[in-house]
Amino acid sequence: KAGVTQTPRYLIKTRGQQVTLSCSPISGHRSVSWYQQTPGQGLQFLFEYFSETQRNKGNFPGRFSGRQFSNSRSEMNVSTLELGDSALYLCASSLDDNEQFFGPGTRLTVL
Amino acid sequence: AQSVAQPEDQVNVAEGNPLTVKCTYSVSGNPYLFWYVQYPNRGLQFLLKYITGDNLVKGSYGFEAEFNKSQTSFHLKKPSALVSDSALYFCAVRDTQYGNNRLAFGKGNQVVVIP
Repeated sequence: KAGVTQTPRYLIKTRGQQVTLSCSPISGHRSVSWYQQTPGQGLQFLFEYFSETQRNKGNFPGRFSGRQFSNSRSEMNVSTLELGDSALYLCASSLDDNEQFFGPGTRLTVL
Repeated sequence: AQSVAQPEDQVNVAEGNPLTVKCTYSVSGNPYLFWYVQYPNRGLQFLLKYITGDNLVKGSYGFEAEFNKSQTSFHLKKPSALVSDSALYFCAVRDTQYGNNRLAFGKGNQVVVIP
């Protein structure tokens, strides 16, 4: 089976712009979670989608949003980008409520 | 709220020596515990998990971890470290009290295996 894929792998944006990141889970996995990784804050949970419904949300401002499609693919959107949004954004999928499998991440740089 | 503590920033070990990476957790309900490893510019790679059952769990690449409920710990171990084990290791917990996959991660431990 193919693993979790994320596109694009690298992004450079400027402050005030918006960005959309995409994640394709492992085939058959219905749960998709998003995490932000930064040197200062470590790995922080953004949100989880299960069967097209947001099941949980972390402590991030409303500029961060996401959605999941009927084929379980997920997107996350960040509007009005700030310098502090520069991070590695990781997507993870899960078949059941056990281990999550992570994609390679999207490295976002905000200038 | 669920949380994980990894008390050491960096663990240095000589090749061939035992490797231990420490992790303690806090949850309201019962924990699901995980260890992941991250190599530079890569995502997280699953090593092993504790869900229920035997307190000693074995995972990939010769790693194992022991669940200790009374000490709320889940330390990662490897009997003989390899240079290729040098990487960033994360402990994570999911609180089964909540019906979702939200993981809380520790800050990570940089493991350096010295040849």
